[in-house]
Amino acid sequence: AQTVTQSQPEMSVQEAETVTLSCTYDTSESDYYLFWYKQPPSRQMILVIRQEAYKQQNATENRFSVNFQKAAKSFSLKISDSQLGDAAMYFCAYRSSMNYGGSQGNLIFGKGTKLSVKP
Amino acid sequence: DTGVSQDPRHKITKRGQNVTFRCDPISEHNRLYWYRQTLGQGPEFLTYFQNEAQLEKSRLLSDRFSAERPKGSFSTLEIQRTEQGDSAMYLCASSLAPRDRGGEQYFGPGTRLTVT
Repeated sequence: AQTVTQSQPEMSVQEAETVTLSCTYDTSESDYYLFWYKQPPSRQMILVIRQEAYKQQNATENRFSVNFQKAAKSFSLKISDSQLGDAAMYFCAYRSSMNYGGSQGNLIFGKGTKLSVKP
Repeated sequence: DTGVSQDPRHKITKRGQNVTFRCDPISEHNRLYWYRQTLGQGPEFLTYFQNEAQLEKSRLLSDRFSAERPKGSFSTLEIQRTEQGDSAMYLCASSLAPRDRGGEQYFGPGTRLTVT
């Protein structure tokens, strides 16, 4: 079974600085997707960024980028120029590729990292 | 379409009572997922529908839990004889069936259940 581990329960960053959130995962599959979701306090979860395992290039979305190391099974999120609105719980998630057929696409989440942004 | 909606947002019930939650997915999405999130944890998968068919259930979904998606539109999640351990946030998500490696899930705001 696949597992996702986020080893940093809490992180803090100064406004305008850069912070990196860590995520490792375990799988025997070679084709899958990885995601970072953001869950602000009392608000719904939104997708920040996704990465296809078959792509070597790291995904980037504006101030958010990932460092995907497939061999090491590591998937970290870098937030540049941090803003007060970035304060939230961040969840790393794994999803098997549909091509495997056995999984119907449910996400497997880590326990999350609470990010605080200091003004 | 404004996204995935869930009702109610909060529910307080006494142990032993039955509760029902509703999820309205994004209209063109044919896949619908239910997750449960307890304090300090990430969401855990409960069950999944493609159109009106319930195709997968987690071992977390005990026989006190039942989910439906009539006509492949909204979905309901019912918990019978609630227990204090059922207290959690219940999240609904919807997506398109991935044909070309897509299928991102869009989440609703959740229903927070408190069992006293």
